[in-house]
Amino acid sequence: QQQVKQSPQSLIVQKGGISIINCAYENTAFDYFPWYQQFPGKGPALLIAIRPDVSEKKEGRFTISFNKSAKQFSLHIMDSQPGDSATYFCAARASQAGTALIFGKGTTLSVSS
Amino acid sequence: GAVVSQHPSRVICKSGTSVKIECRSLDFQATTMFWYRQFPKQSLMLMATSNEGSKATYEQGVEKDKFLINHASLTLSTLTVTSAHPEDSSFYICSAPTRTGPTETQYFGPGTRLLVL
Repeated sequence: QQQVKQSPQSLIVQKGGISIINCAYENTAFDYFPWYQQFPGKGPALLIAIRPDVSEKKEGRFTISFNKSAKQFSLHIMDSQPGDSATYFCAARASQAGTALIFGKGTTLSVSS
Repeated sequence: GAVVSQHPSRVICKSGTSVKIECRSLDFQATTMFWYRQFPKQSLMLMATSNEGSKATYEQGVEKDKFLINHASLTLSTLTVTSAHPEDSSFYICSAPTRTGPTETQYFGPGTRLLVL
């Protein structure tokens, strides 16, 4: 059973547009929700993360929206740029120290110039 | 952010040989590290949790005798792929968590591309 469901699988956005990627989870023990960005041949890099005690977190052009009752969270990339073209993974984890992240299947974003 | 390194970044080996991949946390100590495997255009699949000073914990379906993990120090974990075969060809990525305030953040290494001929 897939614990973190991510959509869409791929996304094409015009330069300057808003990219939106959605994730849903089932395990109510999850309380940490990061987003990672991965370029081809590289390891994932932490982009932004949120805990369920807030509904939104913004860092520069990146915003996480979190809906605890719906068990959903999303990444919004404002003013998308060609350099944002990458694969984005949502993830979730329960709070115990040393617990591994559970990843969504990823979204390949292409920003056309 | 914290830095995690991996070595080598790329390795090509013959079928039947063993390959060792190192994962180091460069500016923090990690009692736990994680090893992931990623096939092309797929997500990261957790293989095992490496624990300093004790045995690794393997995920279901991962052969512990094939993927040997050693976490000998607080900054180094190694993954040895024993008797490698072409189906073991993949991108192997390690990660290590470190705590910043109340949150434990996982930092990933750059990955190791393994090609078994």
